[in-house]
Amino acid sequence: GQSLEQPSEVTAVEGAIVQINCTYQTSGFYGLSWYQQHDGGAPTFLSYNALDGLEETGRFSSFLSRSDSYGYLLLQELQMKDSASYFCAVRGLDYGQNFVFGPGTRLSVLP
Amino acid sequence: EAEVAQSPRYKITEKSQAVAFWCDPISGHATLYWYRQILGQGPELLVQFQDESVVDDSQLPKDRFSAERLKGVDSTLKIQPAELGDSAMYLCASRARERDADTQYFGPGTRLTVL
Repeated sequence: GQSLEQPSEVTAVEGAIVQINCTYQTSGFYGLSWYQQHDGGAPTFLSYNALDGLEETGRFSSFLSRSDSYGYLLLQELQMKDSASYFCAVRGLDYGQNFVFGPGTRLSVLP
Repeated sequence: EAEVAQSPRYKITEKSQAVAFWCDPISGHATLYWYRQILGQGPELLVQFQDESVVDDSQLPKDRFSAERLKGVDSTLKIQPAELGDSAMYLCASRARERDADTQYFGPGTRLTVL
């Protein structure tokens, strides 16, 4: 099975850089994904790492280290609209190859 | 841009009543998921379909929940009877068969309140 851990809350100011960590225990997975969810809204896909290393998509970057069972989402040039919950997720190799989500990190961006 | 459609957006019901949620995935997406999300937590898988077949319903409380995707397109999730603990957001997501294999596209969700 899979289990993921994330910090429950992170606070930062506009323009700053913030890193949201995700540690996991898994019997095997295809890759690590990140989703953003605003209050009352649906999760939206942000980034995906199949291989170790850094993936960059605009202001967002994501990192994976399989040897450390660790990944993170890096948000640069924070904007007020980035205030949301962020979830990491893995798709397992077991039957169904389903996604397991972390508990989520609530990011608050202050002016 | 294609989107996953869900209805209704909000549902208030009394316990012991039956409720049903509908989902229309992005056209051509073979894989469809139903998730339940309790406030402040991550989505938890209820059932996964590949075309019209159930691939995984191990977390679906089958004594009261049922799901179907008869023609491999849209899907319905039913709860009967609803219990207070079923109050949550019910999310539907779809995924392409091969392209963007690890990208799920979520619908807006149905917020269920059981009184």
